[in-house]
Amino acid sequence: QQPVQSPQAVILREGEDAVINCSSSKALYSVHWYRQKHGEAPVFLMILLKGGEQKGHEKISASFNEKKQQSSLYLTASQLSYSGTYFCGTDLTGGGNKLTFGTGTQLKVEL
Amino acid sequence: DAGVIQSPRHEVTEMGQEVTLRCKPISGHNSLFWYRQTMMRGLELLIYFNNNVPIDDSGMPEDRFSAKMPNASFSTLKIQPSEPRDSAVYFCASSLGIGAGELFFGEGSRLTVL
Repeated sequence: QQPVQSPQAVILREGEDAVINCSSSKALYSVHWYRQKHGEAPVFLMILLKGGEQKGHEKISASFNEKKQQSSLYLTASQLSYSGTYFCGTDLTGGGNKLTFGTGTQLKVEL
Repeated sequence: DAGVIQSPRHEVTEMGQEVTLRCKPISGHNSLFWYRQTMMRGLELLIYFNNNVPIDDSGMPEDRFSAKMPNASFSTLKIQPSEPRDSAVYFCASSLGIGAGELFFGEGSRLTVL
């Protein structure tokens, strides 16, 4: 039931773009994205709900394809501060915040 | 405002000992979640509460694990007896409700069982 994320790791030069994908084998009610820096707690980025509603707090965009049970996170003009591990969390039961997290995508942004 | 507060930040113990991890959620948040993070399994939901009531404990690995939330501002996760495979970072998170919304994570408790 754990969603699959791709790529597992990516290295970018500052200013480059990246796409992180999250795919589930089960129907999704919502997809949540979090970023975790080394040794720190995960921090909320965005929620995508069925029907297309998005809730986010940063200049990061994402898409949610309900039919394909997939979500993608788009990081444009990457900054050094974007480095970290990105997790998608999937709501499989309509329970809102009862999330099953993917294995993560390690992103490193270099000068 | 203070975020989610967890204690201890680090715990090293020997196999067979009892371990108690503590969490204070953000004031006003009605839902509390306990997660475990390991390299092998990633972030796993262990249990969550709504209005101090356990809603789903299906992620608790076995009977050695128990969690309580005696009031809106305090929760514990207890492991008795502890085993080396319990070594992980345990995160507590809170949110305004069970519905889809932002989870606020504490800084985690890193447990090492020797």
